[in-house]
Amino acid sequence: EPEVTQTPSHQVTQMGQEVILRCVPISNHLYFYWYRQILGQKVEFLVSFYNNEISEKSEIFDDQFSVERPDGSNFTLKIRSTKLEDSAMYFCASRPGQGFSYNSPLHFGNGTRLTVT
Amino acid sequence: AQSVAQPEDQVNVAEGNPLTVKCTYSVSGNPYLFWYVQYPNRGLQFLLKYITGDNLVKGSYGFEAEFNKSQTSFHLKKPSALVSDSALYFCAVRDTQTGANNLFFGTGTRLTVIP
Repeated sequence: EPEVTQTPSHQVTQMGQEVILRCVPISNHLYFYWYRQILGQKVEFLVSFYNNEISEKSEIFDDQFSVERPDGSNFTLKIRSTKLEDSAMYFCASRPGQGFSYNSPLHFGNGTRLTVT
Repeated sequence: AQSVAQPEDQVNVAEGNPLTVKCTYSVSGNPYLFWYVQYPNRGLQFLLKYITGDNLVKGSYGFEAEFNKSQTSFHLKKPSALVSDSALYFCAVRDTQTGANNLFFGTGTRLTVIP
């Protein structure tokens, strides 16, 4: 069964540094998402991406965050200047597009654990 | 605004006993409701969903959930718990009226099945 893959599994960075988290969504999916989870707690929506642009974003997704689909397979989340409170597990997810119905579930990757020191 | 409540942070149940993980929701329009499970150091795995139709939906690993519109609930159930069911469970909702395509998650319930 196709999977969403995320790299790296663990990223350690110093406060103020830029990080890029990488994701390869399922190949025929059209909607892409980033969520984060702090300390195994609530899963928080960050951003959704469709047709090469952001379709929705949360209050968490401020100017320090950006997303990009640089080629036909990768979907990246960049944090420009990391803060201690950015330490979390970041999950990428994808789902099929409109033709596969609006109610299709999201498929999640195993996450990247970001530790900001 | 959409919201999801999982009133229990922790649920303990003996192996072989029935289990229930509670979820209530609030949306503007009709809800699409989902349950996901998370095992340690893993992503969220889809269990089941309610979109329309029969209020009782069946999903993976013997789980089922009942949609109750009057109580705005979508409780997850299983007739006989297994130790391997021990994990973190998340309820999620998509509000069809707002047109938002993202899922809004509850705070999660940690299920522990005791041998």
